Amino acid sequence: GENVEQHPSTLSVQEGDSAVIKCTYSDSASNYFPWYKQELGKRPQLIIDIRSNVGEKKDQRIAVTLNKTAKHFSLHITETQPEDSAVYFCAAADAGNMLTFGGGTRLMVKP
Amino acid sequence: GAVVSQHPSWVICKSGTSVKIECRSLDFQATTMFWYRQFPKQSLMLMATSNEGSKATYEQGVEKDKFLINHASLTLSTLTVTSAHPEDSSFYICSARERGLLEQYFGPGTRLTVT
Repeated sequence: GENVEQHPSTLSVQEGDSAVIKCTYSDSASNYFPWYKQELGKRPQLIIDIRSNVGEKKDQRIAVTLNKTAKHFSLHITETQPEDSAVYFCAAADAGNMLTFGGGTRLMVKP
Repeated sequence: GAVVSQHPSWVICKSGTSVKIECRSLDFQATTMFWYRQFPKQSLMLMATSNEGSKATYEQGVEKDKFLINHASLTLSTLTVTSAHPEDSSFYICSARERGLLEQYFGPGTRLTVT
């Protein structure tokens, strides 16, 4: 089955700096890669996703890149703000469209 | 759009009793719903997948007789934790997906505490 690894597990940045979270996956047939943001005690919220036929996608301060050859994808947050502090999960969907989640990254943005 | 509700948000029950958790898609038809379990500071672990009108598919290691899942309509799935024990205490989250689409939207979760 699919295996998704996420790094780093914790990330602390200064407000205004950029944050990058990286994930690798094992199943070359995976074709959909969403990112979720989860605040403490709340639901995971879909913030951006990318499909395997696209190399990069951007939505305001958030961008995701995908390297199918290397089987890794990354989340980039620019101009970080304190409200970006949360746990971020990457995921990969296999051919059956089942999501496998990474272990999560706790992002702390210091004002 | 794409709103998923879950009820109750928290529940405390005594060991040996059963608890039912409801997951509803409010503004779309969820042909597939998923049930996850999340321990503190850990990732989401898929427990089972349910398709409307079909039996649920359980992940390895998840007892189907203990975690009963029903997906009777396109907007409702239920998870019943039977004969709950303290080790079943956890955060249970559902998600829903519309036919033909890849996006999964999550409910707010249910915190179960078994005393």
